[in-house]
Amino acid sequence: DTAVSQTPKYLVTQMGNDKSIKCEQNLGHDTMYWYKQDSKKFLKIMFSYNNKELIINETVPNRFSPKSPDKAHLNLHINSLELGDSAVYFCASSRTTSGNYEQYFGPGTRLTVT
Amino acid sequence: KQEVTQIPAALSVPEGENLVLNCSFTDSAIYNLQWFRQDPGKGLTSLLLIQSSQREQTSGRLNASLDKSSGRSTLYIAASQPGDSATYLCAVATGANSKLTFGKGITLSVRP
Repeated sequence: DTAVSQTPKYLVTQMGNDKSIKCEQNLGHDTMYWYKQDSKKFLKIMFSYNNKELIINETVPNRFSPKSPDKAHLNLHINSLELGDSAVYFCASSRTTSGNYEQYFGPGTRLTVT
Repeated sequence: KQEVTQIPAALSVPEGENLVLNCSFTDSAIYNLQWFRQDPGKGLTSLLLIQSSQREQTSGRLNASLDKSSGRSTLYIAASQPGDSATYLCAVATGANSKLTFGKGITLSVRP
């Protein structure tokens, strides 16, 4: 049973396009996250939602817009894609925002912008 | 601002060796510390989570310790195996929403 799933696994697109990545968790968790792992493998948080409410919004260009239709789903929409957006994007979830619980990660979406 | 450092960036050891991976962080006001494993082209797998009130956690051949006051954690791997080859990431949770800050990871290679 997949705990945190993401689609698509790979995404190749041209500069200027708009694309979305979807994430779903079947763990019953309240909190979901988006992370970006750059070409140097450095992993950094982008957004976090708790019960569909945005609670963490790091310094991310406003071309990135997360959307949480329900607490099991957190999608990431990216407008006007740029070369620098090429990275692996990971979705994660945890039971709550409390520091008592670990985060579970999805398999990642490798985005390549040409 | 929390910063997490993992040194060295890469490590190669022969099979069977016991080894220690180090992690340091600058802000001791953490909620927890997690160690993750990442295989090439894959997502992250949580190995161990240590709450800020705990000193260590164990799972199988893995033992993680936490010294919050000095801003350090170690991941001890006993009797290493080639299957342990992966990148090991340390992350600390801080702030009201337990935001995770990651180190850059240590890429471990265990030679048969």
